[in-house]
Amino acid sequence: QKEVEQDPGPLSVPEGAIVSLNCTYSNSAFQYFMWYRQYSRKGPELLMYTYSSGNKEDGRFTAQVDKSSKYISLFIRDSQPSDSATYLCALANQAGTALIFGKGTTLSVSS
Amino acid sequence: NAGVTQTPKFRILKIGQSMTLQCTQDMNHNYMYWYRQDPGMGLKLIYYSVGAGITDKGEVPNGYNVSRSTTEDFPLRLELAAPSQTSVYFCASSWGGIPRVEQYFGPGTRLTVT
Repeated sequence: QKEVEQDPGPLSVPEGAIVSLNCTYSNSAFQYFMWYRQYSRKGPELLMYTYSSGNKEDGRFTAQVDKSSKYISLFIRDSQPSDSATYLCALANQAGTALIFGKGTTLSVSS
Repeated sequence: NAGVTQTPKFRILKIGQSMTLQCTQDMNHNYMYWYRQDPGMGLKLIYYSVGAGITDKGEVPNGYNVSRSTTEDFPLRLELAAPSQTSVYFCASSWGGIPRVEQYFGPGTRLTVT
């Protein structure tokens, strides 16, 4: 079983839709759960991270972690064409040094 | 601040050639990383460094070497290039405290080995 699984998509939605992106993982030692956004031909950039379980909200973005199910989610409300990118989940243990990345989900938001 | 800069942006190598990918950061970060990203795959850690003079292997180190003589620079050396090393290479850096999950990435180097 891979350490982290992420559906690569692609996912296409109309502008204004609510988007749900998900990852599952197998190692219960992970304590930090990140979402990185990567535009085409650019380096990834950190959107948000959560420590342990729970929710975190930042504007139109909400990250959720369910450690009991080993499942993490990123919700995007009122999606915009500028949200079109690849979204990578990443996980790290308590030391937070080595990140394990999912394959990324490619999202396209049409106007 | 320029952040993390990488050179070159693109390169085509013949099998067996060598090259160095350059990476520089101006954020005074202690930690620096090299990743490769193959099409449709996540990033795989090649090497990382926790400070000048200290480097360690990541998940996929074979065929690569690194050095860290200054805080700012972290070059990646490819010896005897092989087609399997065709990839996009990203350098990243982060501050030294806990957590180190906010990594700042460079724009990448697209390498093709033929």
